[in-house]
Amino acid sequence: KNEVEQSPQNLTAQEGEFITINCSYSVGISALHWLQQHPGGGIVSLFMLSSGKKKHGRLIATINIQEKHSSLHITASHPRDSAVYICAVRPLQGAQKLVFGQGTRLTINP
Amino acid sequence: DTGVSQDPRHKITKRGQNVTFRCDPISEHNRLYWYRQTLGQGPEFLTYFQNEAQLEKSRLLSDRFSAERPKGSFSTLEIQRTEQGDSAMYLCASSLDSHLEQYFGPGTRLTVT
Repeated sequence: KNEVEQSPQNLTAQEGEFITINCSYSVGISALHWLQQHPGGGIVSLFMLSSGKKKHGRLIATINIQEKHSSLHITASHPRDSAVYICAVRPLQGAQKLVFGQGTRLTINP
Repeated sequence: DTGVSQDPRHKITKRGQNVTFRCDPISEHNRLYWYRQTLGQGPEFLTYFQNEAQLEKSRLLSDRFSAERPKGSFSTLEIQRTEQGDSAMYLCASSLDSHLEQYFGPGTRLTVT
């Protein structure tokens, strides 16, 4: 079992829908990252959080440390949000590296 | 552009050849990380440097792989005697401190034929 699991693996929605991507992890962590990867490979960091909730524009990220779970929400989704969204954790042990989920491929249709 | 850069962006090579990739981190960042991403998967950690010192290597990094960061600035990742299984996206990231955000480069996509 991977240390970081994301669901769903693929998600297709219509423009304007509210999107939720989930991430569960099995190790103690010092931080959790949400990343966005567009075709071509470039990765952009969206959020780094260790507790609570963060919001940036239409994106909201939450984390529950006790339940080892995080969610990424996109409100009023738009076709330009289509990308792969990756959850990554920074484990307490060996805290120099990130451990990644397999990614969620999001497609927003107009 | 002051972000992380990687060169080349794409590399096609024949099995058995050696390849070398370069990563230029954000200039004041002392930590540099290499990751590998195969199709449909999330990235996997390969190795990281603090300044010029290579402090951790994944067991994914076989003897055919070597990474250097000779002056604590840019880094190179060399793969000797490439195999088809080495085909992947090789990502570099840098950070100012181990507990701060990592900034990723665009990646080098390697195809071994």
